[in-house]
Amino acid sequence: DIVLTQSPALAVSLGQRATISCKTNQNVDYYGNSYMHWYQQKPGQQPKLLIYLASNLASGIPARFSGRGSGTDFTLTIDPVEADDTATYYCQQSRNLWTFGGGTKLELK
Amino acid sequence: QVQLKESGPGLVQPSQTLSLTCTVSGFSLTSYHVSWVRQPPGKGLEWMGVIWTGGSTAYNSLLKSRLSISRDTSKSQVFLKMNSLQTEDTATYYCARATTEENYFDYWGQGVMVTVSS
Repeated sequence: DIVLTQSPALAVSLGQRATISCKTNQNVDYYGNSYMHWYQQKPGQQPKLLIYLASNLASGIPARFSGRGSGTDFTLTIDPVEADDTATYYCQQSRNLWTFGGGTKLELK
Repeated sequence: QVQLKESGPGLVQPSQTLSLTCTVSGFSLTSYHVSWVRQPPGKGLEWMGVIWTGGSTAYNSLLKSRLSISRDTSKSQVFLKMNSLQTEDTATYYCARATTEENYFDYWGQGVMVTVSS
């Protein structure tokens, strides 16, 4: 199984940049695509797709969100952070079935 | 518009079988994969299994012995059955639509909370 590792929490100030990392124990690239996706989940809500294939912004997601990476190292960046961005962020791989990272809880300083 | 809605019992006794239904609208089960994902209270997301557009299935290796996913395309419904439930199976259960090329989950149901308790 592919294991995804995220830091459990991150605290940033309003208007600053938040960078959330996700590392995998196996390469999730295949034929030029990185099968890594990012989701945002707020308490009491279902997850919402933010980024697909490592760097593609999902429909309706503000350009403050961006993703990059390849192979085994990926990041989700929020710049600038707004109050509404407080949530838990999950990475997910779909190179070999699916697995999720443990989630990173974004809090405001 | 695309919608997925989970339904099922909110309470299941230990050792019993959980049966959930995901009713979809706005798309065909033969055009998109549907997965089940669960989330214990206060914890992260766990992928459980998928039913592919062709009707075959794949499961999380940790759950494979207890889990079964099936569908009724005429009713646009996907079913989850999991046996030998224990208290650690208490969770919110989601169904989600997966795109066929990139396999990301673009739509999710609202989830159904299932408590395993006597």
